[in-house]
Amino acid sequence: DAKTTQPPSMDCAEGRAANLPCNHSTISGNEYVYWYRQIHSQGPQYIIHGLKNNETNEMASLIITEDRKSSTLILPHATLRDTAVYYCIVFMIKAAGNKLTFGGGTRVLVKP
Amino acid sequence: EAQVTQNPRYLITVTGKKLTVTCSQNMNHEYMSWYRQDPGLGLRQIYYSMNVEATDKGDVPEGYKVSRKEKRNFPLILESPSPNQTSLYFCASSSYRRLGTGGPATNEKLFFGSGTQLSVL
Repeated sequence: DAKTTQPPSMDCAEGRAANLPCNHSTISGNEYVYWYRQIHSQGPQYIIHGLKNNETNEMASLIITEDRKSSTLILPHATLRDTAVYYCIVFMIKAAGNKLTFGGGTRVLVKP
Repeated sequence: EAQVTQNPRYLITVTGKKLTVTCSQNMNHEYMSWYRQDPGLGLRQIYYSMNVEATDKGDVPEGYKVSRKEKRNFPLILESPSPNQTSLYFCASSSYRRLGTGGPATNEKLFFGSGTQLSVL
């Protein structure tokens, strides 16, 4: 299974960039890296995803290493509303269907 | 508005009393899934469905049943709930793309419901 490893927690100053690392050393060629976040006990919210190339959208940037074994989510200007648990996940593609496992995530606390 | 709707939002029940948590999506997604979330354990997949009449076990399927008779609905059934099933439950859906004819599928982004907090006494 392509599993992910993230630091359990990190703090970030409001207005600064937050860089969230993720290791996925067993990722296979067809598997995308996805990032979600969960605020309090709400349903997780999609942030961004990528396969090989770096990606950017209105929420964040995703940097994937050339060997695809790790990635970094960048929140360019963190706000207090970005305080949440951030999950890096990889869909495990199977012929019969796709299991999807979330790890423990990184609890990000944005401080004023 | 594109959404995944779960009901009820909160549920308190007693051991052994059958219950169903409903999940419905309005995005014509093929893929649907159920997760439970417990403190310190993150989100764990219970069951998933690739399409109508196609369901499969996730990581923690024991004590749960699902059905997928229609594309939009994916109810979670607890035939005989027990206290260790007290948890926060999430339903999710997504579309997916086949990598070549008959090849493996790669999911698009997941849309999650608002969650169901279940307490089994």
